[in-house]
Amino acid sequence: EVQLLESGGGLVQPGGSLRLSCAASGFSFSSYALSWVRQAPGMGLEWVSAITGRSEATYYADSVKGRFTIARDSSKNTLYLQMDSLRAEDTAVYYCAREKSGSGSYYGSLESWGQGTLVTVSS
Amino acid sequence: QSVLTQPASVSGSPGQSITLSCTGTSSDVGSYKFVSWYQQHPGKAPKLIIYEVSNRPSGVSNRFSGSKSGNTASLTISGLQAEDEADYWCSSFTSSNTFVFGDGTKVTVL
Repeated sequence: EVQLLESGGGLVQPGGSLRLSCAASGFSFSSYALSWVRQAPGMGLEWVSAITGRSEATYYADSVKGRFTIARDSSKNTLYLQMDSLRAEDTAVYYCAREKSGSGSYYGSLESWGQGTLVTVSS
Repeated sequence: QSVLTQPASVSGSPGQSITLSCTGTSSDVGSYKFVSWYQQHPGKAPKLIIYEVSNRPSGVSNRFSGSKSGNTASLTISGLQAEDEADYWCSSFTSSNTFVFGDGTKVTVL
C-alpha cells in the first residue's frame, strides 16, 4: 500500500524558514516523480513544486520560486520542501503527492496523496 | 500563473448527469493531454478521478468521464449519487513546465 506521511508543519513568523518532510513507503521511491501541492484554509489547490524520480529536474510555481527548494533522499525514501522567506500568503495545508506513472517523469497525474501538514505564517 | 476557470457550483438530482467545465488557454489545456480531475471531500485529501484528459485510475467509478475540446476540458458525472457531493478540481500542464489548478467546482446533490 502506498503511504505518504508529511511532517514539519507548524507556526512560523514572517520571514522565517521551515522544512517539510514526506516519508514514503509501499512503492519504488526513485521510480516516481513527487510533488507538493498546498491549500490555504477554505481555498483552492495550488501546485507548488515537483521533482522527477531521480532528481534530474525540479519545477516551481512562480509564487515560490527562489524561496522554496524541493529535494528527495532515496536512501531515506523521503521528500523535502525547504521553505525560506515565508510570507503570510504561504499559510496552507501542504500535501505531498505521487505521480501515477512509474516512469520517473512528472505529468501532474497525482494518484497518491498524504494527509497534509499545516503551515501557519503569522507574527 | 493564472488558474483555470471552473464554475463555482453545479447541482443535480440523484440519477441525473452533470458536466463540469474547466477553461484554460492555448498555453495549458489547449496544448497538452495532461489534464487531470480531482475529487475532494471536506477535510480529506484530493483523489485523482481522471488523468490525461479521459483516463480513469483503477477503482474509480465509470460514472466519471472526461473529455477536452480546444481550451476547455470537461468532467461528466452520470447517475449522480449522494457520495458525489464534493469539490472538484481540474489541473493542466502548462507551457512553463508547471502545473495549474482550476478554481474549483462545488457539486451539490439535491
